[in-house]
Amino acid sequence: EPEVTQTPSHQVTQMGQEVILRCVPISNHLYFYWYRQILGQKVEFLVSFYNNEISEKSEIFDDQFSVERPDGSNFTLKIRSTKLEDSAMYFCASRPGSVRRLRSGNTIYFGEGSWLTVV
Amino acid sequence: AQKITQTQPGMFVQEKEAVTLDCTYDTSDQSYGLFWYKQPSSGEMIFLIYQGSYDEQNATEGRYSLNFQKARKSANLVISASQLGDSAMYFCAMREGYDNAGNMLTFGGGTRLMVKP
Repeated sequence: EPEVTQTPSHQVTQMGQEVILRCVPISNHLYFYWYRQILGQKVEFLVSFYNNEISEKSEIFDDQFSVERPDGSNFTLKIRSTKLEDSAMYFCASRPGSVRRLRSGNTIYFGEGSWLTVV
Repeated sequence: AQKITQTQPGMFVQEKEAVTLDCTYDTSDQSYGLFWYKQPSSGEMIFLIYQGSYDEQNATEGRYSLNFQKARKSANLVISASQLGDSAMYFCAMREGYDNAGNMLTFGGGTRLMVKP
């Protein structure tokens, strides 16, 4: 079964360093997302991406964050200058396009996550 | 107000018994979708089941079923015949708006389910 894959699974970085988290969404999916989950807390939305541009972003997604789809398969999240409070599990997710009334078309599939620890 | 509320922070269930995990939601949209995800200790988010606001029948996926009560704005997850591997964190989530939009999911706080042998 196709799945969303993420790399790295775990990264430790120094405060102030740049980090790039990578994701390969399920092929032929059209909507892409990044979520994060601080340890012990809720899963929070960061950004959604469609048709090569950001379609929605949360207050968390400030100027330190950026997303890119550099080729036809990868979807990256960049944090320019990491802070201690950026330590979290970051999830990439994807879903198919507009397929109304088709249950599977509404499903959002998550990757296994990338643990980011900022020290 | 919270958009998704899961009132049970933790629950125990005996192996092979059924268990219901509660979820209530708050939205003024007519079109929305409700999701349940399982998060084992390894951390990944596993999709379990989806219910659209216009779906007339409750969703079922194997041992998982969703008890959708629209008037009460509840979308409880029922797991039948619990297994030890069901021990995990369970999240209810909602997508507001039409199906063809890339709208975000809002998650509840989760319920930790522990299955006893």
